[in-house]
Amino acid sequence: GQNIDQPTEMTATEGAIVQINCTYQTSGFNGLFWYQQHAGEAPTFLSYNVLDGLEEKGRFSSFLSRSKGYSYLLLKELQMKDSASYLCAVRDSNYQLIWGAGTKLIIKP
Amino acid sequence: ETGVTQTPRHLVMGMTNKKSLKCEQHLGHNAMYWYKQSAKKPLELMFVYNFKEQTENNSVPSRFSPECPNSSHLFLHLHTLQPEDSALYLCASSQEASSNQPQHFGDGTRLSIL
Repeated sequence: GQNIDQPTEMTATEGAIVQINCTYQTSGFNGLFWYQQHAGEAPTFLSYNVLDGLEEKGRFSSFLSRSKGYSYLLLKELQMKDSASYLCAVRDSNYQLIWGAGTKLIIKP
Repeated sequence: ETGVTQTPRHLVMGMTNKKSLKCEQHLGHNAMYWYKQSAKKPLELMFVYNFKEQTENNSVPSRFSPECPNSSHLFLHLHTLQPEDSALYLCASSQEASSNQPQHFGDGTRLSIL
């Protein structure tokens, strides 16, 4: 079966750096997405990786290793507003998105 | 503002009621999706419409009935739901169903079945 694994919950300190990992086993691979979802709100698109390597976008970066079935989202200079759930999703060979259960990130002052 | 609007935001209904969820997108997209989001579980894809044609029905019970009158509007008709159907129902849209463009989500309808 297809599977996306990410930690259920993480805690970090304001101003620090946190890395949220995502491992996947899917039938085919056509890209990996990261989304942010604040409680009671819509998931919003953060990043897309289809080739190996690091994609940087301001304070957020996303890394992909297709051979290892692994990605991470790196958040720098954490702010209180970064407290949210972070969802990893992989597009499989049928172009369907397979979703992880999300990582709830708690930022402490 | 994500460009995808869902109404109502909250809905409480009995198991014998009939209600409908509405989704409208203002992004000029051609694909629309219904997802179910339950606590601590991955998003579950329910239905996909691409250019108004249903292309995916992931073994969803018949008590959920989608309708897509045009590329901008999507409905989910609900009838004789069960308590386990209580969840957040998210609508999303994208340029096309098979493109690598991201999906854009609405804020969802929080559904509670009594």
